[in-house]
Amino acid sequence: EAGVVQSPRYKIIEKKQPVAFWCNPISGHNTLYWYRQNLGQGPELLIRYENEEAVDDSQLPKDRFSAERLKGVDSTLKIQPAELGDSAVYLCASSWGQSSYEQYFGPGTRLTVT
Amino acid sequence: AQKITQTQPGMFVQEKEAVTLDCTYDTSDQSYGLFWYKQPSSGEMIFLIYQGSYDEQNATEGRYSLNFQKARKSANLVISASQLGDSAMYFCAMREKTGNTPLVFGKGTRLSVIA
Repeated sequence: EAGVVQSPRYKIIEKKQPVAFWCNPISGHNTLYWYRQNLGQGPELLIRYENEEAVDDSQLPKDRFSAERLKGVDSTLKIQPAELGDSAVYLCASSWGQSSYEQYFGPGTRLTVT
Repeated sequence: AQKITQTQPGMFVQEKEAVTLDCTYDTSDQSYGLFWYKQPSSGEMIFLIYQGSYDEQNATEGRYSLNFQKARKSANLVISASQLGDSAMYFCAMREKTGNTPLVFGKGTRLSVIA
């Protein structure tokens, strides 16, 4: 079984440029999470999807961040415009069913904003 | 609100020795789950072990065991017979047990295994 796939693995952009990250969860997983991990910290949730619906986006900076999960499968996270403080690892995770305790993480996208 | 505290920024252990990574948590929920993840330098988060708040026995998975002390709100990870490949960041995390709520992570402990 394929794991959570993310691309790109690494991205370097200049500030004020846009950037997008893509995530394909494990087949059949209805819940998808985007986390941001700053250097030296643990991951923190940005947004959670149940199928196509964003059910928790309270931590998503909506002035510059947007996300979508069309058809309830893969998802895209976008930043426009990027700021220096957005440099971090962006992790996607997925899980299945209700009360599923295990979340499966992708390898992450390491973003560097210069 | 849930909170995870990991007070050890870094730990060293000799190969083949056991090591304990500390984790304390705070929550007002009665039903919750506690997790440990390993993050090697490649970046992926690897699930290691899970403990439910109502589980009476400590969880074990191979060389990993979770020392769960509910009254003290601690969930320490014990790695036995350390191997060089165990060198990585280790994160303690928790979440509510009902629904697909997100994980709340600590800041992590960097473990270095010395030959």
